[in-house]
Amino acid sequence: QQQVKQSPQSLIVQKGGISIINCAYENTAFDYFPWYQQFPGKGPALLIAIRPDVSEKKEGRFTISFNKSAKQFSLHIMDSQPGDSATYFCAATSGYSTLTFGKGTMLLVSP
Amino acid sequence: NAGVTQTPKFQVLKTGQSMTLQCAQDMNHNSMYWYRQDPGMGLRLIYYSASEGTTDKGEVPNGYNVSRLNKREFSLRLESAAPSQTSVYFCASSDIRGLDGYTFGSGTRLTVV
Repeated sequence: QQQVKQSPQSLIVQKGGISIINCAYENTAFDYFPWYQQFPGKGPALLIAIRPDVSEKKEGRFTISFNKSAKQFSLHIMDSQPGDSATYFCAATSGYSTLTFGKGTMLLVSP
Repeated sequence: NAGVTQTPKFQVLKTGQSMTLQCAQDMNHNSMYWYRQDPGMGLRLIYYSASEGTTDKGEVPNGYNVSRLNKREFSLRLESAAPSQTSVYFCASSDIRGLDGYTFGSGTRLTVV
């Protein structure tokens, strides 16, 4: 069964610090790796995504790092802010398949 | 506002009761999805509809049925609710490959007692 393993399950970071969330996958056919952000009481929303032809993608304070040989990708949140406190999901897909989501990471950024 | 609308937002059912969760999108998306979210389990796909007229099972389809009523609407039915179906249910939609992202509704919190 296709899986995406996400860690850690929860994370506490001080304001201004770097938050790092890691994901690993097994299916080498995966060719699209998005991250979703979910605030309490809301549905997840697309944050940033990467294709395997690049090793890094940056959008503002959010960066995805991708290691194809290790089958791993990670989300880095620079200068973390209390407003970044949310649950983050990594995901992966291939072809016309549906997204396979990781189990999520609850991030708390302390003031 | 453009997006995915789910009704109801909250529901309490007794074991054995039935109900239908409604979902509608106004983004002209071809594909629609139903997920459930449980603590520590992430988002698990129940059913999806790649395009109008088609539906397929996801990871956890047992106890559920779906109807793709038209391009805009995708409903999820619980025929005989069980406590194990207590969860938060999300509907989502996307273009055919989902590369512009899935757009999720705000969820239905269902409790089965």
